[in-house]
Amino acid sequence: AQTVTQSQPEMSVQEAETVTLSCTYDTSESNYYLFWYKQPPSRQMILVIRQEAYKQQNATENRFSVNFQKAAKSFSLKISDSQLGDTAMYFCAFMKLFQGAQKLVFGQGTRLTINP
Amino acid sequence: DTGVSQDPRHKITKRGQNVTFRCDPISEHNRLYWYRQTLGQGPEFLTYFQNEAQLEKSRLLSDRFSAERPKGSFSTLEIQRTEQGDSAMYLCASSSTGVMTDTQYFGPGTRLTVL
Repeated sequence: AQTVTQSQPEMSVQEAETVTLSCTYDTSESNYYLFWYKQPPSRQMILVIRQEAYKQQNATENRFSVNFQKAAKSFSLKISDSQLGDTAMYFCAFMKLFQGAQKLVFGQGTRLTINP
Repeated sequence: DTGVSQDPRHKITKRGQNVTFRCDPISEHNRLYWYRQTLGQGPEFLTYFQNEAQLEKSRLLSDRFSAERPKGSFSTLEIQRTEQGDSAMYLCASSSTGVMTDTQYFGPGTRLTVL
C-alpha cells in the first residue's frame, strides 16, 4: 500500500517570503501522479499543482513549483512571493495509475499561515 | 463548468438516524469518488464509480454505508444508524478522461455532526 508523509504539521512565514513544504511517499509503483492540493479555512479543496512521475521536468504553476526527486520519493512544494491568500492546509497526494480506482492517497497536511 | 456541488453543506443528526448526501459532479465527468475527512487529517478514500458502476469500496465503508450513482450522473451516499464516529466531512470529487485526465476536482463537502 502507498503511504504519504508530510513531516511539517504547521508552518508560518511572512508575506512575500518563499516557503517550502515537504512530502515523502512510499510506493513500489512506477506509473503514478503526485498532487498538491490546498484547502483554505472553511473552503473547498483546490488543485495547486500536479506532477507525472514519468516526467523529469519539475512542474510549475505561476508562484508554485515542485522539486520532484523520484529516486528519493520526495515531492516538495515551493511557494514564492507568498501572499495572505496562500494561508491554508496543504495536502500532498499520490495516485497510482492503470490499476482499478485511481484513488488519491493523502498525507496528513501542513497548515501554512502567511503573516502580514 | 459549474464545479462539483454537494448537498447539504451541513447536517446535524442524532445517533441512530439515517442520513443521505448528494453529489453532482462536473458535467461529463465519468468518474466519481467519495472521501471522508476527519478534523486535522487528510481525506481518506471511501468509494469510486465509473459511470454508474461502483468499482471499488474501502474497508472504511462499513455495511451501514451505501452509495449509488444511478444513470452515471449524480451520486448519493447514505449512512444508516449513524454513530458519533461518523462525524466528519464527506467530500465528493470527479474526474474525466479528457484534458487534465485523472485530476480530481473536489466539491465543498458535507459536514456531518452526529450527536
